[in-house]
Amino acid sequence: DVKVTQSSRYLVKRTGEKVFLECVQDMDHENMFWYRQDPGLGLRLIYFSYDVKMKEKGDIPEGYSVSREKKERFSLILESASTNQTSMYLCASRPTSGNTGELFFGEGSRLTVL
Amino acid sequence: DQQVKQNSPSLSVQEGRISILNCDYTNSMFDYFLWYKKYPAEGPTFLISISSIKDKNEDGRFTVFLNKSAKHLSLHIVPSQPGDSAVYFCAHHGQNFVFGPGTRLSVLP
Repeated sequence: DVKVTQSSRYLVKRTGEKVFLECVQDMDHENMFWYRQDPGLGLRLIYFSYDVKMKEKGDIPEGYSVSREKKERFSLILESASTNQTSMYLCASRPTSGNTGELFFGEGSRLTVL
Repeated sequence: DQQVKQNSPSLSVQEGRISILNCDYTNSMFDYFLWYKKYPAEGPTFLISISSIKDKNEDGRFTVFLNKSAKHLSLHIVPSQPGDSAVYFCAHHGQNFVFGPGTRLSVLP
């Protein structure tokens, strides 16, 4: 089974703090994604990566950055957390080819910014 | 740009009856539509998909219907079970993934 692991299930941070959200997948997938989920808005894409060292902006990249130094790891960084970044963050991965394109998601990291 | 709409934020159904979740989209160019199911405090899990060349796909209790002329798809769950209570997301897979806002299904015992 594909396993996507997010390092922290729940975090509470203060405004202005730097926040790291880590994601690791164990299936050698090329593609990795960071989404945030908010009620009534569905899942919105923050950043994605097609390969090591590569990153692409999604629909809502402002206030976020990412790092992909190794194929299995994709990190989301909030340089200076703000209250409007309180959300559920979901990491996902998928291979480039071989299936219908389904994403495999981690369990999510619920971030609260005070 | 593709937009994916799920106009019903919530749906309640009696156990054993049919649940029908709806999804509308704007852009006719796509490869697949996928349905994901999400329980609270868990990540979404893939449920079923349909390619652009089909109008129906079935997997056990779950069937997805695609009406390309109406730009509409629906997920049917028959019979509904209490364990089906979750948020269901419709997602378009074209160049990238675009998710709808989700529908919360409650199956009442």
